[in-house]
Amino acid sequence: QKEVEQDPGPLSVPEGAIVSLNCTYSNSAFQYFMWYRQYSRKGPELLMYTYSSGNKEDGRFTAQVDKSSKYISLFIRDSQPSDSATYLCAMSEGPDNQGGKLIFGQGTELSVKP
Amino acid sequence: DSGVTQTPKHLITATGQRVTLRCSPRSGDLSVYWYQQSLDQGLQFLIQYYNGEERAKGNILERFSAQQFPDLHSELNLSSLELGDSALYFCASSLNRGKNTGELFFGEGSRLTVL
Repeated sequence: QKEVEQDPGPLSVPEGAIVSLNCTYSNSAFQYFMWYRQYSRKGPELLMYTYSSGNKEDGRFTAQVDKSSKYISLFIRDSQPSDSATYLCAMSEGPDNQGGKLIFGQGTELSVKP
Repeated sequence: DSGVTQTPKHLITATGQRVTLRCSPRSGDLSVYWYQQSLDQGLQFLIQYYNGEERAKGNILERFSAQQFPDLHSELNLSSLELGDSALYFCASSLNRGKNTGELFFGEGSRLTVL
């Protein structure tokens, strides 16, 4: 079993839909949770960053972390064709453990159709 | 543009050969990370350097080595290449004054094809 599990999709939605992306994990030492977005033939870019449990909102994006269930989510409201990309969840134990080593999910490929 | 520069962008070579991938971090960033991305394994952490010193190691093969130079650029050396080494190799950087928590800036990657 992988430390971080993420449904690879692909996921196809119409423009304007609400998108829900999820990851589960097994390592209870993870404290920092991130979502990266990767466009085709590009490097991942940080989208959202959350410490411990709770919600964080940034424009149309909301990240949720539930440490008790070892489950994180990313919601995209009013999805746009420009949101079409692969979304990777990533987790870290924190700076005191192996620096900033991140464990990534497999990535979910999202396509938003006009 | 993340500010992280990787060269070469594409590389095709034969089994048994050796290649060197180069990375220049963002200006001011002290940490450099190397990741390997393949279809079956996803993004896998290889190794991290902080200000010239090795800081953390992942599942990096013994045939692979890396270093960070005084000007903070880094090189990843891959030797005795096998078909399975074909992948995208990403470099990332962060400021990391000992408190990095995973906010990395990735380059565009070097695509290695081993024939």
